[in-house]
Amino acid sequence: KAGVTQTPRYLIKTRGQQVTLSCSPISGHRSVSWYQQTPGQGLQFLFEYFSETQRNKGNFPGRFSGRQFSNSRSEMNVSTLELGDSALYLCASSLESGNTEAFFGQGTRLTVV
Amino acid sequence: DAKTTQPTSMDCAEGRAANLPCNHSTISGNEYVYWYRQIHSQGPQYIIHGLKNNETNEMASLIITEDRKSSTLILPHATLRDTAVYYCIVRPSYQGAQKLVFGQGTRLTINP
Repeated sequence: KAGVTQTPRYLIKTRGQQVTLSCSPISGHRSVSWYQQTPGQGLQFLFEYFSETQRNKGNFPGRFSGRQFSNSRSEMNVSTLELGDSALYLCASSLESGNTEAFFGQGTRLTVV
Repeated sequence: DAKTTQPTSMDCAEGRAANLPCNHSTISGNEYVYWYRQIHSQGPQYIIHGLKNNETNEMASLIITEDRKSSTLILPHATLRDTAVYYCIVRPSYQGAQKLVFGQGTRLTINP
């Protein structure tokens, strides 16, 4: 069974630009969550999508948004990039039930210059 | 936001058991204890989880105290590949609770 796939793996963007990251969950998984990891703040929850609906949201500004498609694939978008948005963005997929483990992708390393 | 306390770092000799403690004194009755680890520059990897009984799988054992206020992750025969940051997380069991709140974790170094 294929794991969680995130594309692209690496990305360099300029301040003020926007970026879209993609996540393909494990087949059969309907929940997709996104996390941001920085050296200063550690791993922080961004949002979770389930059946194309945002079910939970972390404490991030509105510049961070996401969506989920009918095939459970998810995208997250960051608009008006700031230097502080440089981070490893991780996607995790889970089965429908709450008491199940999350499987993480390898992440997208975003550098904002 | 994290409701767990872990030592910042630990060392263990290769081949020995690595015992990683975690305090979660405010854990609620419907919250599970989850353990993940993150090897440098990779996504976190699920290890094990439990509610109140001790659990064992092919990777590790999880020992939860009777009052559920603390737990210990045991890697029975640590190898160099077990060097990673280990995260202990408490999470509600109800459907829809996929949010994981990561603390700083324990940086475990396995020495040859």
